[in-house]
Amino acid sequence: DQQVKQNSPSLSVQEGRISILNCDYTNSMFDYFLWYKKYPAEGPTFLISISSIKDKNEDGRFTVFLNKSAKHLSLHIVPSQPGDSAVYFCAASAGVTGGGNKLTFGTGTQLKVEL
Amino acid sequence: DVKVTQSSRYLVKRTGEKVFLECVQDMDHENMFWYRQDPGLGLRLIYFSYDVKMKEKGDIPEGYSVSREKKERFSLILESASTNQTSMYLCASRDPSNEQFFGPGTRLTVL
Repeated sequence: DQQVKQNSPSLSVQEGRISILNCDYTNSMFDYFLWYKKYPAEGPTFLISISSIKDKNEDGRFTVFLNKSAKHLSLHIVPSQPGDSAVYFCAASAGVTGGGNKLTFGTGTQLKVEL
Repeated sequence: DVKVTQSSRYLVKRTGEKVFLECVQDMDHENMFWYRQDPGLGLRLIYFSYDVKMKEKGDIPEGYSVSREKKERFSLILESASTNQTSMYLCASRDPSNEQFFGPGTRLTVL
């Protein structure tokens, strides 16, 4: 049972345009969401997160939007750059604090930013 | 900077062999995790540990075991490797703000 879903396995965007990566979840207990970026042959690196008390969090070119009623979040990258080409994983957890809280990851979206 | 290191980047083993994957973190984090990454399946949690000698099963623990004798080290053990355990294995440690820091991964091939 996939509790975190990224329905688009790949996305291609032109440099300078907006990239929008989507993520849906089914577990209503999830209250903290993260996006990770992964280059080939490297471990994932943390990009941005959002708590369920917010509906938007922004960090430079990256903005994450959370729609709790729809159980949907999205990552916007503006403007997209060739170096953003990577696999992006959405992740969710139930409980921001506390020991042993695990992350449930989506299947990933391969973003390709073309010149 | 948090550093999570994994003992091998690439590993080739034969079916039936016992395999040890080692992970070390240098930030005194209590929580550590082992995942495997497969195409189309994302990252799936195998085991995690929230303290020395403590461990909990993740979503796909079958065929694996773990050891956490020291806080900084978390080992994943494949008791008898099988071809369906060919995968990229990722170790992570977690800070109190719930951010996980990943190692570079070990690409394991079981022949």
